[in-house]
Amino acid sequence: DTEVTQTPKHLVMGMTNKKSLKCEQHMGHRAMYWYKQKAKKPPELMFVYSYEKLSINESVPSRFSPECPNSSLLNLHLHALQPEDSALYLCASSQETVAGGPSDTQYFGPGTRLTVL
Amino acid sequence: KQEVTQIPAALSVPEGENLVLNCSFTDSAIYNLQWFRQDPGKGLTSLLLIQSSQREQTSGRLNASLDKSSGRSTLYIAASQPGDSATYLCAVRGAGGGADGLTFGKGTHLIIQP
Repeated sequence: DTEVTQTPKHLVMGMTNKKSLKCEQHMGHRAMYWYKQKAKKPPELMFVYSYEKLSINESVPSRFSPECPNSSLLNLHLHALQPEDSALYLCASSQETVAGGPSDTQYFGPGTRLTVL
Repeated sequence: KQEVTQIPAALSVPEGENLVLNCSFTDSAIYNLQWFRQDPGKGLTSLLLIQSSQREQTSGRLNASLDKSSGRSTLYIAASQPGDSATYLCAVRGAGGGADGLTFGKGTHLIIQP
């Protein structure tokens, strides 16, 4: 099973709302990622978690707050977003091994389409 | 900073043709390179991953090559089908240790005409 699931599929929120995006994988992967993809643009890395610890934060505004409660779950908490934050938010996971190999493949979920009004 | 470029940006060919998509990257210190397919409004489907020590990988009608020293990769699609229509993204992972994200190219939008 190489499935990464994301909920919700679509989310519409106002600028004063607080919402959360959820990502789940049961492949035993120890690295999880959040990417943001604007229309007709490639995905851009936001955060990386390795063994449930935040290892990379690509200078993302504090209105985005990631959380990794366990090795299978990754959340992205949203607060006071701006209309320009509207995008497809993609979650990915990968196995991390010292030796590398095919297990380094990043598997992506279907994404959450976020619209900020 | 790593930059990934994909050529062409768009391609439209009749069904049955063989085609090549190109990807180049500016920093040859990569850990691996991954090719993805993305259908409109959907997530990314991994097609092939090539480690930095490898020269090529094959899966069905797809063949990806890597020339790390020149910073280039190609994705060859044999006997194209209308179902191959999608955006194809090339992405590289840096050679730093530990988990790291991918740097993507802008993609090639491919249309296979029936």
